[in-house]
Amino acid sequence: QSVLTQPPSVSGAPGQRVTISCTGSSSNIGAGYDVHWYQQLPGTAPKLLIYGNSNRPSGVPDRFSGSKSGTSASLAITGLQAEDEADYYCQSYDSSLSGLYVFGTGTKVTVL
Amino acid sequence: QVQLVESGGGVVQPGGSLRLSCAASGFTFSSYGMHWVRQAPGKGLEWVAFIRYDGSNKYYADSVKGRFTISRDNSKNTLYLQMNSLRAEDTAVYYCAKSDYGGWSPWGQGTLVTVSS
Repeated sequence: QSVLTQPPSVSGAPGQRVTISCTGSSSNIGAGYDVHWYQQLPGTAPKLLIYGNSNRPSGVPDRFSGSKSGTSASLAITGLQAEDEADYYCQSYDSSLSGLYVFGTGTKVTVL
Repeated sequence: QVQLVESGGGVVQPGGSLRLSCAASGFTFSSYGMHWVRQAPGKGLEWVAFIRYDGSNKYYADSVKGRFTISRDNSKNTLYLQMNSLRAEDTAVYYCAKSDYGGWSPWGQGTLVTVSS
């Protein structure tokens, strides 16, 4: 069971801005652990999109940005493009007994 | 380039066993911790297991603890996942991923494990 909650879906027209929330608790995001974001295009393996809350790996467009506050984190996509249609997952570390590494429930981004 | 290639998936009966492999190339394998992550059909990502760079510590999700064993052979640049007492709910695509302070990257292409009679 995922302990990080994301909205099941978000959508936007090309060029618009969309945001995806990732809500955790005091044992994971709220404890200060970093949040990472992954993009999973249809039929492919996940790819690291944002690391350490707000950092982009080389090659990731600056249309993608991440932030973290309290027990939540967010991923923003500005200037939405058709190729951004994918599933997005947040991930963090959890200090509770239930598991060490946790993923969000996942969000499907649809470009209208 | 940095690459991970999984193998060993297939169809197995409930209660059976399977060993997955993840061949690494393009980086110093012995310097990095490694993860196994799985994704059931149409579902989200679930962390399975982690092993430190030198194999000294291993950690498991509660759902697989006591049934799965993660290991590595740094001389062969290969990560393993031994899966015993398999259940229908273990059916998933299994990915290996390289761990770093800056997230997990890259991921392999995945290998499908189907547990069915």
